[in-house]
Amino acid sequence: DTAVSQTPKYLVTQMGNDKSIKCEQNLGHDTMYWYKQDSKKFLKIMFSYNNKELIINETVPNRFSPKSPDKAHLNLHINSLELGDSAVYFCASSQDGGQGNTIYFGEGSWLTVV
Amino acid sequence: GNSVTQMEGPVTLSEEAFLTINCTYTATGYPSLFWYVQYPGEGLQLLLKATKADDKGSNKGFEATYRKETTSFHLEKGSVQVSDSAVYFCALSDGGSNYKLTFGKGTLLTVNP
Repeated sequence: DTAVSQTPKYLVTQMGNDKSIKCEQNLGHDTMYWYKQDSKKFLKIMFSYNNKELIINETVPNRFSPKSPDKAHLNLHINSLELGDSAVYFCASSQDGGQGNTIYFGEGSWLTVV
Repeated sequence: GNSVTQMEGPVTLSEEAFLTINCTYTATGYPSLFWYVQYPGEGLQLLLKATKADDKGSNKGFEATYRKETTSFHLEKGSVQVSDSAVYFCALSDGGSNYKLTFGKGTLLTVNP
């Protein structure tokens, strides 16, 4: 069973479109995250949620809107896609926000905007 | 703010060679330190971690020791295998909170037979 699963794995779409990436974790964790990995492999946090409450919003454009219907799900909706949004987006989860807790990552969603 | 600096890659080694990937950090307080590995086309997996000074994390033959005096967490393996080819990320969590894991830029390791 996949601990953190995200869909779709690959997404190619045109500029200006709106798209969503879904994420689910079956680990019973309280905290979920979205990270972005750019073309140079650099990873940067976008959002973190704890028990459905937004904890971190790391200077992400308003076009990106996370939604957490329950603590097992954290979806990412992107409006008006731009070329610069092309990246790999990783969902992740951890037991809670406590220091030292292992963060478990999904396999990533490869987004290409053309 | 917090930051993590890793040695620039790519690193290319022959099988059974000794591996060191340097990692130093800047942080307020007392962070926890992690090494994650990303195999081609896959997500990140935790390789090892250390939560306080002088702790040694180890897994799959890899080791790293949390050195507060030198603010370092270098990754080592005595004998690499082709299957170790991947991108390795050093990371730290804010003192007291894991809500923001800060990553280094990653080091690509290629091991040749």
